[in-house]
Order: sequence, then structure tokens, then C-alpha cells
Amino acid sequence: SQQGEEDPQALSIQEGENATMNCSYKTSINNLQWYRQNSGRGLVHLILIRSNEREKHSGRLRVTLDTSKKSSSLLITASRAADTASYFCATDNPILTSGTYKYIFGTGTRLKVLA
Amino acid sequence: GAGVSQSPSNKVTEKGKDVELRCDPISGHTALYWYRQSLGQGLEFLIYFQGNSAPDKSGLPSDRFSAERTGGSVSTLTIQRTQQEDSAVYLCASSLESEGSGNTIYFGEGSWLTVV
Repeated sequence: SQQGEEDPQALSIQEGENATMNCSYKTSINNLQWYRQNSGRGLVHLILIRSNEREKHSGRLRVTLDTSKKSSSLLITASRAADTASYFCATDNPILTSGTYKYIFGTGTRLKVLA
Repeated sequence: GAGVSQSPSNKVTEKGKDVELRCDPISGHTALYWYRQSLGQGLEFLIYFQGNSAPDKSGLPSDRFSAERTGGSVSTLTIQRTQQEDSAVYLCASSLESEGSGNTIYFGEGSWLTVV
């Protein structure tokens, strides 16, 4: 299965510190997305990085992609208590019968930022 | 509505009963997903609808699970003869579809199913 795996599974840091989460996947991708989930409910899109990009920034978020290692990392700088959530990567998977793509999500990292 | 709407938010059912979970995607979104998430776990892909193409059902865990999407809009996930291991949050999501991938996926708030 293409399901990505995030590590660490759980991360606890102090407010103001940086948080780094990693995602590994198995097969070739066109792009990779990161999502955030609060309290086990709906996920919210954070950022997308394409296979021809190596790094992307959005506010306090920095995403890197290494297609040779089939891995991505999400860095949250100067973390805040409000960043406490679960973070998931999602990779596109081709559906050969239709020529479309579906997204498969990883196992997630549970981040806790202590005030 | 402006977002993906799911109902019911919470459902408690007795083992062996059938349940139906409903998803109303964002208007105009041709792609629709169902995922399952057990407590503290990752998202498990169940089924994917895209326009008029045949749905990708490769994630459905057993033949007790089925889903329909009527008129390219509303979708219903049906679980027959529910078992306790079916207890989870069922998340629906939708996205626009353009050539290739790379569309943002918008999630509903989920339906929490408890089988007792």
C-alpha cells in the first residue's frame, strides 16, 4: 500500500520551539500534501509540494521533499499551544482504470505544544 | 452549504444493525472520498468517486460496506450487520478535479459511529 508513515508518532515540545515531522512513502508521486486535524474531526489542508519542488514555505511552515528518498518533512517554527493537533501527509495515487488520482494519508504525528 | 456536510454527527447502534452515513460535498466538486479513522489512528481509505468514472472501492474492508453517490453529488456509506470493530469516525471529503492531481481536499467534520 502507498500509505505514508509519519514519524515520530507523537511529539511533545515547549512553546517557542520548532517541531519537525517526517513522512515516508513507497511509490512515485506527483505531489504531496500536509494536513492538520484537531480533536479527531475534519482535516484542514496546510500546504502542497510538487515532485519538482524541494522546499516550500507558508508562514511558519516549511516543507521539504526528497523524491530520491521518498520522504518529506514538515517544520513548524516558533510553535504555539494552538499548534497542538495531529498532522498527516497525503500522497497521490494513480487510478489506472480512470486516469484519475486518489489521496492516501499517512499514519499521522500527534503534536503537543506545552505553554 | 459552503463546506462538506456529514450526518449524523454521532450514531450509536446495536451490533448487527445496519447504518447509513450521509455526505453532502461542496457544490461543484466532482471527487468524493470516504475514509475511516479509529481512535488515535491514521486515516484508512475506503472508497473514491470521481465524476462518471467507476468508483475505486479498493479500500472497503468487507462486503458489509457499500457506498453510493447519486447524481454526482450526495453520497451514502452503508454498513450492514455492524460489528464492534466498525466503531470509528467516518470522514467524507471532496475536491475539484482537474487534469492530474494536486487539488486541495476538503473534509467534513465526520460521523462518529459507536457499535454497542
